[in-house]
Amino acid sequence: AQKITQTQPGMFVQEKEAVTLDCTYDTSDPSYGLFWYKQPSSGEMIFLIYQGSYDQQNATEGRYSLNFQKARKSANLVISASQLGDSAMYFCAMTSGQNFVFGPGTRLSVLP
Amino acid sequence: ETGVTQTPRHLVMGMTNKKSLKCEQHLGHNAMYWYKQSAKKPLELMFVYNFKEQTENNSVPSRFSPECPNSSHLFLHLHTLQPEDSALYLCASSLGLAGVKETQYFGPGTRLLVL
Repeated sequence: AQKITQTQPGMFVQEKEAVTLDCTYDTSDPSYGLFWYKQPSSGEMIFLIYQGSYDQQNATEGRYSLNFQKARKSANLVISASQLGDSAMYFCAMTSGQNFVFGPGTRLSVLP
Repeated sequence: ETGVTQTPRHLVMGMTNKKSLKCEQHLGHNAMYWYKQSAKKPLELMFVYNFKEQTENNSVPSRFSPECPNSSHLFLHLHTLQPEDSALYLCASSLGLAGVKETQYFGPGTRLLVL
């Protein structure tokens, strides 16, 4: 069975600093995809970044990068130069074939 | 980019009411999903449709009835709900079902309060 673990219920970061949100996963499938979503207080889940299990390089999208360590089964999200608008819930998710599993989320608060 | 829309955004209903949630995607996707997000609980997958055919029903009570008339539209019909059904209901779509690169794109959600 697939499982996503996010051990940080809440995180604080100073504006303009970098922050790392942790995600570990468990799957027996050799092929899988890892995703990060952002959910502001408005409710919409916004897709941020994707990493495939066979991708050789860590994914990057603007200020977002994914620190993928396959042997450790971790896929941490790094947000550089935090902005006040980054305050939200962040969800790590995984898919292998037809199963799409979400983690419990981490609430990030950016302080001015 | 919001290629998935949901209406209404907010809904208050009594336990004896019948209402419907609507989801529409403008992304040319073939798969659509309903999720329930309750406070302090993980996101729960409710239903999955692929090319208008239901492929998954995660033991959802029959008071929730989905309908998918075409690949662009998805409804969730609600009747005789309970207060514990109060939650954020999210619709999502993806190009297909199979494959590890199938990113799901979400709508803004409907906040439902059952009194």
